[in-house]
Amino acid sequence: EAQVTQNPRYLITVTGKKLTVTCSQNMNHEYMSWYRQDPGLGLRQIYYSMNVEVTDKGDVPEGYKVSRKEKRNFPLILESPSPNQTSLYFCASSDAGMALHFGNGTRLTVT
Amino acid sequence: LAKTTQPISMDSYEGQEVNITCSHNNIATNDYITWYQQFPSQGPRFIIQGYKTKVTNEVASLFIPADRKSSTLSLPRVSLSDTAVYYCLVGGLKTGANNLFFGTGTRLTVIP
Repeated sequence: EAQVTQNPRYLITVTGKKLTVTCSQNMNHEYMSWYRQDPGLGLRQIYYSMNVEVTDKGDVPEGYKVSRKEKRNFPLILESPSPNQTSLYFCASSDAGMALHFGNGTRLTVT
Repeated sequence: LAKTTQPISMDSYEGQEVNITCSHNNIATNDYITWYQQFPSQGPRFIIQGYKTKVTNEVASLFIPADRKSSTLSLPRVSLSDTAVYYCLVGGLKTGANNLFFGTGTRLTVIP
């Protein structure tokens, strides 16, 4: 089954403790991206990647890192999480046709 | 970067046709128009995509006028399960519009 898999689904952590949210897709898509969703603000793009070793900033990249060492994986890294990064995170992938396929989301709480 | 403007919310009764219009005045020549549906705590789901005129699939229709500065998503005979947030996106990976902007979308509430 074609899918985008994010892990974990839920994560509670404390300020400053490094964490990684994984994202994997099995559709051989070149394009992958990360979004965060907050009430009243809609979906905002954090980072995106056009292919292996090619990443670029989205609208809200501060406090986040990404890497794209393999085509299927696009992890989101929070080196020193802060409470304002408490949010619902979505990973997505696409072929060149722009129909994005989203994962089921990761709800992160930073205390 | 072509951004979009949509109504914040809409209400409709079950069985009615719903039209949600999106404004995208700065659309570029090679940009596509894509609509997504999102239920609470789920990732957005692709509904329909078009470039010009009219596109129809089993779920919805998309109407795009000649100037392409707006588009209208049409949902025929909505049901309670169509209650969701609908997003209009303009851009296209083929054209280099990689920073895909979702915005806040339109919250559709279907009333029994």
